[in-house]
Amino acid sequence: AQKITQTQPGMFVQEKEAVTLDCTYDTSDPSYGLFWYKQPSSGEMIFLIYQGSYDQQNATEGRYSLNFQKARKSANLVISASQLGDSAMYFCAMREGTSYDKVIFGPGTSLSVIP
Amino acid sequence: DGGITQSPKYLFRKEGQNVTLSCEQNLNHDAMYWYRQDPGQGLRLIYYSQIVNDFQKGDIAEGYSVSREKKESFPLTVTSAQKNPTAFYLCASSIRGTGASNQPQHFGDGTRLSIL
Repeated sequence: AQKITQTQPGMFVQEKEAVTLDCTYDTSDPSYGLFWYKQPSSGEMIFLIYQGSYDQQNATEGRYSLNFQKARKSANLVISASQLGDSAMYFCAMREGTSYDKVIFGPGTSLSVIP
Repeated sequence: DGGITQSPKYLFRKEGQNVTLSCEQNLNHDAMYWYRQDPGQGLRLIYYSQIVNDFQKGDIAEGYSVSREKKESFPLTVTSAQKNPTAFYLCASSIRGTGASNQPQHFGDGTRLSIL
């Protein structure tokens, strides 16, 4: 069974500093996709970044980057130059298998950016 | 604009009552999903549908039912068998198949369900 672990229930970071949010996953399928979403207090889900299991390079999108360590089954999100608007819940999610239709989420990390 | 519409935004259920949450999408997506989110928790998969007239149970399907009679619509019924229905419910959609591997899900704005 697939499973996603996010071991940091809550994190604090000083404004303008970088922060790493951890995500480890468990799957026996060699083909999978990993996603990170941001959920502000309003409840909307905002897609941030994607990493495929066969991608050779770590994904980057603006201030967001992924530290993908396939052998360790980890896909940590790095946010550079934190802003007050980054305060939110962050979720790691995974699609797996040939159909990629089932998508499961980790428990999330609550990030608070301190001025 | 294409997107997913969930209604109502807030819903109250009386004891022993079934309630239905609406989810409509105009993105022409084949796959649709229902997730439950408890306060401070992650999203747990209730049901998902890959195609019209077909759906699969997720991790917490007990006490819930769904239908997929149209591609655009995937309503969720919270039955009286669900003893603790108070939660935030999110509907999502995505394309499916091998081209879907790198495609994120699109989410609605959610429905907050409470027991009266």
